[in-house]
Amino acid sequence: ETGVTQTPRHLVMGMTNKKSLKCEQHLGHNAMYWYKQSAKKPLELMFVYSLEERVENNSVPSRFSPECPNSSHLFLHLHTLQPEDSALYLCASSQSLTEYEQYFGPGTRLTVT
Amino acid sequence: AQSVTQLDSQVPVFEEAPVELRCNYSSSVSVYLFWYVQYPNQGLQLLLKYLSGSTLVKGINGFEAEFNKSQTSFHLRKPSVHISDTAEYFCAVSESGGFKTIFGAGTRLFVKA
Repeated sequence: ETGVTQTPRHLVMGMTNKKSLKCEQHLGHNAMYWYKQSAKKPLELMFVYSLEERVENNSVPSRFSPECPNSSHLFLHLHTLQPEDSALYLCASSQSLTEYEQYFGPGTRLTVT
Repeated sequence: AQSVTQLDSQVPVFEEAPVELRCNYSSSVSVYLFWYVQYPNQGLQLLLKYLSGSTLVKGINGFEAEFNKSQTSFHLRKPSVHISDTAEYFCAVSESGGFKTIFGAGTRLFVKA
């Protein structure tokens, strides 16, 4: 595997379910990011991790819970979501927080029913 | 606070015609500027970046952009587009010393035969 991978690619979940999104980067980067991409809106930065430490929680509802067990893996745990949370969730990585070029995964298309 | 405005939400153009996608930004400090492309069902891919030096930046797939500090613009150009350039294009800005990248809302380029 190369670059940034995300699983699953598609997810349909009910509002009472609990699920997790997984991101893995094979680039040796130290910073990882979660973004939300909704139709007709700019990318919204959700969380930023640097060397497994969270450095940004951008006013994201607590029903989204990130986890970064090591510098290669990033998870987004989901519970009791709302229909408006349906979106494409993108993971990205960069060499460090001050190396601004980001490498993106293909995203997980989430539908909340 | 930094912001990014992409002035056109959609740009239709005929194959082999030139195209310009416009981007303006606002920031009170030095910035780094990026253009990313997103093909259907994929994540974002870096097209080109301006960090310092020459204001004319060349990227992949024949694209180039010019940084204009006085007009706070970073427009993307290609002299002759192909059908395969049909995609969504995102302008992004990072402030020197910060760690957030702010993305524009995107411009959908549609190349017609």
